[in-house]
Amino acid sequence: AQTVTQSQPEMSVQEAETVTLSCTYDTSESNYYLFWYKQPPSRQMILVIRQEAYKQQNATENRFSVNFQKAAKSFSLKISDSQLGDTAMYFCAFMKMGDMRFGAGTRLTVKP
Amino acid sequence: NAGVTQTPKFQVLKTGQSMTLQCAQDMNHEYMSWYRQDPGMGLRLIHYSVGAGITDQGEVPNGYNVSRSTTEDFPLRLLSAAPSQTSVYFCASSYRGQGASGSDYGYTFGSGTRLTVV
Repeated sequence: AQTVTQSQPEMSVQEAETVTLSCTYDTSESNYYLFWYKQPPSRQMILVIRQEAYKQQNATENRFSVNFQKAAKSFSLKISDSQLGDTAMYFCAFMKMGDMRFGAGTRLTVKP
Repeated sequence: NAGVTQTPKFQVLKTGQSMTLQCAQDMNHEYMSWYRQDPGMGLRLIHYSVGAGITDQGEVPNGYNVSRSTTEDFPLRLLSAAPSQTSVYFCASSYRGQGASGSDYGYTFGSGTRLTVV
């Protein structure tokens, strides 16, 4: 089974600055999808960004972008111009054919 | 669209009781899954389904049963509740492929059910 590792349990960043969250995964599959989800205190799971493994171009969604290194099995999330509303748990996830596995999460705090 | 609807939102069970957590989606998604989230932890996959009549086990399937008789519904059954099953449970659904807009792949989550077993 695929495993997802997030090595940073907690991070903090000043408002308006940039922060990068790390994620590595282990798989023998060649075609799969990777995701970052955000979970604010409301507990709702919110999809932030997705990356298809067969696409070399890194995905971007407004202030959120990823650095996808397929050979290294690395999938980091960069948040630019951090806002107070970005404070949340962030989960990296690997998905193949309906089977999605999550990392343990990184708690991000944006400080004013 | 209601999205993914989970009921109930809160439940307290006594050890040994059985119950069913309901999950319904109105987006015609092929994939559906159940996760549990324990305090300070990530989500762990219990069971998932790639279509009506097809289910498979995830990371932590013991003590839970599922069935998928329709595309819309994916109930999770606790056969004999134990305190170790105290958790927040999330149901989720996804298109199998790219979806109508070409970029819809990925799970949409319900708002969760907080279950306490005493």
